Amino acid sequence: AQTVTQSQPEMSVQEAETVTLSCTYDTSESDYYLFWYKQPPSRQMILVIRQEAYKQQNATENRFSVNFQKAAKSFSLKISDSQLGDAAMYFCAYRVGLNYGGSQGNLIFGKGTKLSVKP
Amino acid sequence: EPEVTQTPSHQVTQMGQEVILRCVPISNHLYFYWYRQILGQKVEFLVSFYNNEISEKSEIFDDQFSVERPDGSNFTLKIRSTKLEDSAMYFCASSRMAAGFYNEQFFGPGTRLTVL
Repeated sequence: AQTVTQSQPEMSVQEAETVTLSCTYDTSESDYYLFWYKQPPSRQMILVIRQEAYKQQNATENRFSVNFQKAAKSFSLKISDSQLGDAAMYFCAYRVGLNYGGSQGNLIFGKGTKLSVKP
Repeated sequence: EPEVTQTPSHQVTQMGQEVILRCVPISNHLYFYWYRQILGQKVEFLVSFYNNEISEKSEIFDDQFSVERPDGSNFTLKIRSTKLEDSAMYFCASSRMAAGFYNEQFFGPGTRLTVL
């Protein structure tokens, strides 16, 4: 069974600094997708960034980038120039690929990392 | 921008009672999901729903749970006889398509269910 592990329950970063959130996963599949979701307090989860397993190039979305290490099954999120609005719970998630057993695409989540941003 | 909405935001119920959690997915979406998160634990998949039937469900989704789309707008999760261990945050999500890289799931804000 696939699992996702986030080993940092809480992290803190100074405004304008850079922080890296860790995520590891376990799967025997070769075709899958990885995601980072952000959940601000009392708000819905929103997608921050996504990565296809067969793409070696790390995904980047503005200040957010990932370090995808497929062999190590590691998928960390780097937030550069942290802003107060980045304070939230961050979830790492995995989804099997399109051709896997007719899956409808349910996500497998880690426990989350609560990020605080200090002014 | 369209959003997934959920009501109520917080539901308190007595053990053994039935509860219905409601979700309004984004209007042109075809796939619907329920997830839950027990406090301090992972967000867990419960069920996915497409074309008016369950397409996939987890081990958690036993006979006490049911889902339906009664009116083409709402998507509900019913728990027939709640247990203490059902206390959790329940998230609804929807997506335009199912699997696939660009088929993003959009989440609602969640309903916190407290079973006393």
